[in-house]
Amino acid sequence: GNSVTQMEGPVTLSEEAFLTINCTYTATGYPSLFWYVQYPGEGLQLLLKATKADDKGSNKGFEATYRKETTSFHLEKGSVQVSDSAVYFCALSDQRSSASKIIFGSGTRLSIRP
Amino acid sequence: DAGVIQSPRHEVTEMGQEVTLRCKPISGHNSLFWYRQTMMRGLELLIYFNNNVPIDDSGMPEDRFSAKMPNASFSTLKIQPSEPRDSAVYFCASSTGLTNEKLFFGSGTQLSVL
Repeated sequence: GNSVTQMEGPVTLSEEAFLTINCTYTATGYPSLFWYVQYPGEGLQLLLKATKADDKGSNKGFEATYRKETTSFHLEKGSVQVSDSAVYFCALSDQRSSASKIIFGSGTRLSIRP
Repeated sequence: DAGVIQSPRHEVTEMGQEVTLRCKPISGHNSLFWYRQTMMRGLELLIYFNNNVPIDDSGMPEDRFSAKMPNASFSTLKIQPSEPRDSAVYFCASSTGLTNEKLFFGSGTQLSVL
């Protein structure tokens, strides 16, 4: 079945460092891909998405490119801030059923040191 | 727009007791999802509804769990009897149900079964 695999955390970086969080997927068809972020004590919220191959999603300085050839959707940011500390989830849409559902990876906890 | 509203925010109960979690989706959203989040298993989809009808309940752990959506503005997740291993954060999310549309999450219910 469809699934998402992302790098295990926690990831700890210094402020202004470059960030990469790896995500690969297994899917039939052509799913849409997402990154969600969860701040402490809150529910998940959409960070960015890409709906077809070679699309680049971007938001708040974060970017991810839909790579069909490598089945990947890695999250990147050129210069992280303390406020980026959160848990990041890679996800895909499963459209085989009558209503679309979202399948999440296990999450990667990111901590940024001042 | 008040967003997805979950209640209670925190629930502490004793093993064997019945627990009912409540969710009010965003008005106009046709799909509703229940997720469970734990450190060990990450974010698991328990069940989702489309137009008040359960589409996929394959993630419901066992017969002790049941979910209902009597109308478009209300859903419940019930655990009877509860067990300590049910302790987790339970999230409700809603979406328009259209392909590629994002999920809106509630703030979650922190459940502790003693």
